[in-house]
Amino acid sequence: EPEVTQTPSHQVTQMGQEVILRCVPISNHLYFYWYRQILGQKVEFLVSFYNNEISEKSEIFDDQFSVERPDGSNFTLKIRSTKLEDSAMYFCASSGDGYEQYFGPGTRLTVT
Amino acid sequence: GQQLNQSPQSMFIQEGEDVSMNCTSSSIFNTWLWYKQEPGEGPVLLIALYKAGELTSNGRLTAQFGITRKDSFLNISASIPSDVGIYFCAGQRERSQGNLIFGKGTKLSVKP
Repeated sequence: EPEVTQTPSHQVTQMGQEVILRCVPISNHLYFYWYRQILGQKVEFLVSFYNNEISEKSEIFDDQFSVERPDGSNFTLKIRSTKLEDSAMYFCASSGDGYEQYFGPGTRLTVT
Repeated sequence: GQQLNQSPQSMFIQEGEDVSMNCTSSSIFNTWLWYKQEPGEGPVLLIALYKAGELTSNGRLTAQFGITRKDSFLNISASIPSDVGIYFCAGQRERSQGNLIFGKGTKLSVKP
């Protein structure tokens, strides 16, 4: 069964450093998303991406964040200058129809 | 922002018992999704609901989309130990507004 994959599974970085989180969505999907989950809390939407552009973003997704689909398979989330409060699990999701969203296993980002 | 109220927050049940959890909102959603999350993993889609009043089953799981479009419930029948996890409801207003709004989750514990 096709799956969303994410790398790395765990990323440790120092405050102020840039990080890139990578995702490979399910191959025939057209809608892509990033969410985050701070430990013990609910999942929060960051950004959605369709037709090679951002379709919606939340207040969390400020100028420090960017997304890119550099080729036909990868979808990346970049955080330019990480802050302590960026520590969270980051989930990529994809959807074929814009309704059912399938999540990857997540990247645990730890900012020290 | 929109909030989903999910209850109960946690449940401790005996193997074989039935479980019911629900989500309510002050706003209308056009799609309701139910996910299960196990420790260290991403949310796994269980059931998707698209029409008010719709009742959908997936094995021992049954979910309904409320008539008012502001609520949904999930039932698990004859629970087993592997049902342990956190169950999240998620609502979506429009496909073009890709973001899912998640509830805070119901943590299910099953005693063998």
